[in-house]
Amino acid sequence: AQTVTQSQPEMSVQEAETVTLSCTYDTSESDYYLFWYKQPPSRQMILVIRQEAYKQQNATENRFSVNFQKAAKSFSLKISDSQLGDAAMYFCAYMNRDDKIIFGKGTRLHILP
Amino acid sequence: DAGITQSPRHKVTETGTPVTLRCHQTENHRYMYWYRQDPGHGLRLIHYSYGVKDTDKGEVSDGYSVSRSKTEDFLLTLESATSSQTSVYFCAISDGVAGAYEQYFGPGTRLTVT
Repeated sequence: AQTVTQSQPEMSVQEAETVTLSCTYDTSESDYYLFWYKQPPSRQMILVIRQEAYKQQNATENRFSVNFQKAAKSFSLKISDSQLGDAAMYFCAYMNRDDKIIFGKGTRLHILP
Repeated sequence: DAGITQSPRHKVTETGTPVTLRCHQTENHRYMYWYRQDPGHGLRLIHYSYGVKDTDKGEVSDGYSVSRSKTEDFLLTLESATSSQTSVYFCAISDGVAGAYEQYFGPGTRLTVT
């Protein structure tokens, strides 16, 4: 069975600095998708970024980028120029094609002014 | 934002009573999902639907049933609520077309069973 592990329950970063959230997963599949979701205090789950496993190029969305290491089964999220609005719980998620999403347990990110 | 609403947004109920949560979408997406979120567990899939009248169980389906009679509505029913079902429930949808497998979430329903 596939699993997703986020080894950092909580992290803090100074405003305007860069922070990297870690995620590892376990799968025997070669074709799959990876996602990062953000959950601010409002509780709304927001898709931050997605990565297709067949793409070698790392996905980027403005200040958010990933470091996808397929062989190592690692999918970290880098947030550049951290802002107060980035404070949230971040969930890493894995999905096979035509299958269900599996979520990690989350990393709570604090932004220090 | 994807057009997903959940009702009610908050509910307090007593042990042993039936409860139905509703998820409504305006995106005409094929797939719909129900999750529960509990501290220390992240999000866990309860049931999902891949079309009208087509549903399947997820990781934590015991004590829950679902129905989908229309594309836009996905109902989650707790036949006899228990305190262990106190949680925040999220509905999600996905298109599943042309690689668009990411899920979009509703605002959540906080359910308290006393």
